[in-house]
Amino acid sequence: NAGVTQTPKFQVLKTGQSMTLQCAQDMNHNSMYWYRQDPGMGLRLIYYSASEGTTDKGEVPNGYNVSRLNKREFSLRLESAAPSQTSVYFCASSERQGATHEQYFGPGTRLTVT
Amino acid sequence: DQQVKQNSPSLSVQEGRISILNCDYTNSMFDYFLWYKKYPAEGPTFLISISSIKDKNEDGRFTVFLNKSAKHLSLHIVPSQPGDSAVYFCAASITGNQFYFGTGTSLTVIP
Repeated sequence: NAGVTQTPKFQVLKTGQSMTLQCAQDMNHNSMYWYRQDPGMGLRLIYYSASEGTTDKGEVPNGYNVSRLNKREFSLRLESAAPSQTSVYFCASSERQGATHEQYFGPGTRLTVT
Repeated sequence: DQQVKQNSPSLSVQEGRISILNCDYTNSMFDYFLWYKKYPAEGPTFLISISSIKDKNEDGRFTVFLNKSAKHLSLHIVPSQPGDSAVYFCAASITGNQFYFGTGTSLTVIP
């Protein structure tokens, strides 16, 4: 099992360019999440999907869109990148029916917007 | 506003001694608390969790304590090992939907 995979690992964009971050999980989890991590800010939730076909905003959704393509895949799109979106992006999944609510994280995508 | 706070950015401990990492929260609706460990260039990995109906949960060398009246939780690692050196994040959730993370504490265990 690969767990949670993210592509790409690194990306450099110019201001105004668009891109999609891909995430897939092979654990048959219902819930998937996108976070960003910035220095001194911890991880902040951008969007989450509690189940296939549903998505909800988190703490910092502005400038992002998401698609829950199927149970396995949850993508994050930046339509017009801004330098403030320079960050490390983590995708996670969890089985909310479980006792611990633990989330499994991918290795992250390091995005730089110039 | 930061709903989950880790006020110590770093902590150094001698190998074999106890490490105590602290976390404070402001939202009394949080009903689940988790600790994650993170190595550089990797995603966080789950360590231990506690429900708000409990005040202690133990898993091997790791124990989490929850003080609801003080809105405070702590992670105890005994004995500390060099491989425990990492950044530790606490997180809180309401009904397992949105999760709020602290800013992390970097633990260094000195051999």
